[in-house]
Amino acid sequence: DSGVTQTPKHLITATGQRVTLRCSPRSGDLSVYWYQQSLDQGLQFLIQYYNGEERAKGNILERFSAQQFPDLHSELNLSSLELGDSALYFCASSVAKGDIHNEQFFGPGTRLTVL
Amino acid sequence: AQKITQTQPGMFVQEKEAVTLDCTYDTSDPSYGLFWYKQPSSGEMIFLIYQGSYDQQNATEGRYSLNFQKARKSANLVISASQLGDSAMYFCAMREEAAGKSTFGDGTTLTVKP
Repeated sequence: DSGVTQTPKHLITATGQRVTLRCSPRSGDLSVYWYQQSLDQGLQFLIQYYNGEERAKGNILERFSAQQFPDLHSELNLSSLELGDSALYFCASSVAKGDIHNEQFFGPGTRLTVL
Repeated sequence: AQKITQTQPGMFVQEKEAVTLDCTYDTSDPSYGLFWYKQPSSGEMIFLIYQGSYDQQNATEGRYSLNFQKARKSANLVISASQLGDSAMYFCAMREEAAGKSTFGDGTTLTVKP
């Protein structure tokens, strides 16, 4: 158990809908990262928050948004869902901001299926 | 250009033997970290080992070691004395200080045969 929690574990929804994925980082970790893992695109970094502020942005679509709250939990919002958004979404956390030296601890992931 | 290249989509190894999983990377940032993660069929991502770009010695963590050749930009993972539980997908990743984000390779599926 990495100490990172994600809810829900599974989510099935329809095209055009909007969903929210939730992540609680390990106790003491200030950075939260979101990743998307799909069969055709592999593991893609989406976005990082550090202590409530956006720190780095990756291949995140405009239909997706995220935020980190004062209690450090984070939410990833996916809207106008398409079939291609079906994927495993991971949240990870780490202690520091720059993190080239610190491993990220991954949550169990949320499996999103868009029908 | 691919930042992280894992050229072996699948590998087989006999139980108790050693195996090397290849990883090459591309960066102009002098400060970066290299990581290996394991993803079993259950789906979770498990951190295995880390190597910093300025580290002089190769990292080791139990049965895992990282063969870091900076000039060749390679960071191969060596698993010694393979166990059946090592069967999983293995990802090499790099985090560049300037870019502030992580890049993952496509992964190598390792199958350990009894």
